[in-house]
Amino acid sequence: SQQGEEDPQALSIQEGENATMNCSYKTSINNLQWYRQNSGRGLVHLILIRSNEREKHSGRLRVTLDTSKKSSSLLITASRAADTASYFCATVHGGATNKLIFGTGTLLAVQP
Amino acid sequence: DGGITQSPKYLFRKEGQNVTLSCEQNLNHDAMYWYRQDPGQGLRLIYYSQIVNDFQKGDIAEGYSVSREKKESFPLTVTSAQKNPTAFYLCASQQGNTDTQYFGPGTRLTVL
Repeated sequence: SQQGEEDPQALSIQEGENATMNCSYKTSINNLQWYRQNSGRGLVHLILIRSNEREKHSGRLRVTLDTSKKSSSLLITASRAADTASYFCATVHGGATNKLIFGTGTLLAVQP
Repeated sequence: DGGITQSPKYLFRKEGQNVTLSCEQNLNHDAMYWYRQDPGQGLRLIYYSQIVNDFQKGDIAEGYSVSREKKESFPLTVTSAQKNPTAFYLCASQQGNTDTQYFGPGTRLTVL
């Protein structure tokens, strides 16, 4: 399976703290994306980083990509209770299709 | 959840019965996808379609079937051949020249 792995599997922090979650993948990529899923809901796209980029920002989100280590990290700064959700990385690899390969997810709980 | 609808939200079926899950999008996207999500796991691709009247198997297609007769619709049938059909099913769509997917709210299928 090409499925990536994320760590930690679960993370609990206090409101206002920063949350960092990591994603590792197995084969070279075109891009890597992060999605958020609230409990029992669909996924929402957060940010995309291309293989030739090393860092990207969007509001309170910062994503880094290290293609030599085949890993990425998502940092959420100044977390809020509303950030409580599962976060998934997804990779797009070369080829004729642009299928996404999802990681196993990190469950983030932000305590008020 | 964008312009993608899935119905119903919850579905209960007896073992041995086929069941069809609906997915409709009004985003004018070319590609559509079906994923299965089990507890503690990421999303796994069941089937995908990049254009009307064409579709391909994903990683776990056994026991499932799809059709793509209209651009807006991509129904998934869970057949009695699927050994463990109880799961959360997510539909997504994607515009052809991008890699970002838009997800529906999901259907939770329980087979009794």
